[in-house]
Amino acid sequence: EPEVTQTPSHQVTQMGQEVILRCVPISNHLYFYWYRQILGQKVEFLVSFYNNEISEKSEIFDDQFSVERPDGSNFTLKIRSTKLEDSAMYFCASMGLAGTSREQYFGPGTRLTVT
Amino acid sequence: AQKITQTQPGMFVQEKEAVTLDCTYDTSDQSYGLFWYKQPSSGEMIFLIYQGSYDEQNATEGRYSLNFQKARKSANLVISASQLGDSAMYFCATTWLRGADGLTFGKGTHLIIQP
Repeated sequence: EPEVTQTPSHQVTQMGQEVILRCVPISNHLYFYWYRQILGQKVEFLVSFYNNEISEKSEIFDDQFSVERPDGSNFTLKIRSTKLEDSAMYFCASMGLAGTSREQYFGPGTRLTVT
Repeated sequence: AQKITQTQPGMFVQEKEAVTLDCTYDTSDQSYGLFWYKQPSSGEMIFLIYQGSYDEQNATEGRYSLNFQKARKSANLVISASQLGDSAMYFCATTWLRGADGLTFGKGTHLIIQP
């Protein structure tokens, strides 16, 4: 069964450092997403990506965040200068054609710890 | 704007009993989807069930059913014959059905099934 994969599973970084979280969405999917979940809290939408550009972003997704699909398979989230409050689980998700199944398939997540 | 309200932070249920997890939503759009995801202690997000706003019949997936009451803006999840493996966090979510919109999640309900 196809699945979304994410690397690394856990990333520890120092405040102010740049991190890149990587995702490989399901191969024939067209819509890609990043979400975050601060420990013990709800899942929050960050950004959606379609046709090689950002489709929608939340107010959390400020200038320190960026997304990229550098090739036909990877989808990355970059945090330019990490802050302590960026510590969270980051989930990538993908979806097939809109109008059919609306299920967003989530990856297993990357736990980011900023020290 | 969209909002999901889950009023049950935690629930204890005896094994084999049916469970109803409450979810109410607020959205200004006529075309929207409602989702339930399960998050076990391992952290992954597992899709359970989807209901579109124009679907006249309640969605069902195995032991899961979604009690969709449009006039009351509620989308409760019903789990029949609960099992110990159902112990997890359960999140209700919604999105507008227009391309790549992200999911808006509720705060979740922590369900514990007791033997």
